[in-house]
Amino acid sequence: NAGVMQNPRHLVRRRGQEARLRCSPMKGHSHVYWYRQLPEEGLKFMVYLQKENIIDESGMPKERFSAEFPKEGPSILRIQQVVRGDSAAYFCASSPPIGQGASSKNIQYFGAGTRLSVL
Amino acid sequence: AQTVTQSQPEMSVQEAETVTLSCTYDTSESDYYLFWYKQPPSRQMILVIRQEAYKQQNATENRFSVNFQKAAKSFSLKISDSQLGDAAMYFCAITGTASKLTFGTGTRLQVTL
Repeated sequence: NAGVMQNPRHLVRRRGQEARLRCSPMKGHSHVYWYRQLPEEGLKFMVYLQKENIIDESGMPKERFSAEFPKEGPSILRIQQVVRGDSAAYFCASSPPIGQGASSKNIQYFGAGTRLSVL
Repeated sequence: AQTVTQSQPEMSVQEAETVTLSCTYDTSESDYYLFWYKQPPSRQMILVIRQEAYKQQNATENRFSVNFQKAAKSFSLKISDSQLGDAAMYFCAITGTASKLTFGTGTRLQVTL
């Protein structure tokens, strides 16, 4: 059973370009979370999605950032017109549907992250 | 809002010795979960141990155990018989009904020979 898969592992963009980060949750998981880790800091929550729905986006910057988790395919975190301050590691985590297994115990399983560097 | 505080930016322990990492938290919820995650240089976030707030018994996982003091809102991690592979950043985290995890700033653990 493959874990949470994130790609790419490293992404380099120039200021003003778009960054698209992908996350495939663990098999059977329908909840996806995105977190951002700035250098020498802890992870900060960005957004929580279920299939085709945004449940909580309280940690998302108001502009340039968006996230989706379509019925088919991976979850996408999209950053438009990137700036140097967007350089960070972006982590995705997943958990099963409510009431099943790890979800009932509030366990989130993390991917290896995508390191975004903005030149 | 939930907050997590880790007051030790760095800790060091000799191989085979025991070390305790501190964590305090604040929450207005009565039903919540506490976690310790390990982040080695590979950056992968690895769940070390989990504690349900309603359980009085401290969680243990092999060489890892916690000291959960609910009234004091304290959740420390004890690592026994430390190994070189334990060297990493350790993050304390909390979640409640909102599902999202709130992390502390981390403690960097060095293991020396």
